[in-house]
Amino acid sequence: DTAVSQTPKYLVTQMGNDKSIKCEQNLGHDTMYWYKQDSKKFLKIMFSYNNKELIINETVPNRFSPKSPDKAHLNLHINSLELGDSAVYFCASSQESLVVLREQYFGPGTRLTVT
Amino acid sequence: DAKTTQPPSMDCAEGRAANLPCNHSTISGNEYVYWYRQIHSQGPQYIIHGLKNNETNEMASLIITEDRKSSTLILPHATLRDTAVYYCIVRARGSARQLTFGSGTQLTVLP
Repeated sequence: DTAVSQTPKYLVTQMGNDKSIKCEQNLGHDTMYWYKQDSKKFLKIMFSYNNKELIINETVPNRFSPKSPDKAHLNLHINSLELGDSAVYFCASSQESLVVLREQYFGPGTRLTVT
Repeated sequence: DAKTTQPPSMDCAEGRAANLPCNHSTISGNEYVYWYRQIHSQGPQYIIHGLKNNETNEMASLIITEDRKSSTLILPHATLRDTAVYYCIVRARGSARQLTFGSGTQLTVLP
């Protein structure tokens, strides 16, 4: 019963390629996120979607495009991959409201290596 | 959201209590203290959160000082599986939804 799942777990590709990472949550949450963890282990938010609508878009290059086909899925498509995109990408979800802060549940991560 | 300060690393003997401090001296009245941890190569995991009262769950206890400028996460009987990076995060209700991670504390539980 995986709560937040990501595929693939590992992704090795060459510079200039286009790739996608998929994320699915079965928790019934209305908000999903993409975080990036670089080689120095800093975790940083990239995007956040609430009910399929983009609500946070940090300073991420336009080559990164999130897509949310429904509340349970948030995919990350990356165009023209660069060496600096090598990182671990984590998907997360939560059930947010203005009244109560909820914890976020994270997926296992996708390790992207660009050569 | 207020900034937090944590020691970069700590050791703890297996079976002993691990006490992880966090300083959040600029915390405001509507900001909660959250703790997450990241075991090597895994996604971050929620541990506990609180506003001003001490909190306890099956994983840990959270002690927040009366002035709320600092807190301590307590793992009562640390095991080797508790070796991880522990993040203290301050977040306000109604604020941006994302978590802002600092550098955390690397806790190493020693046999």
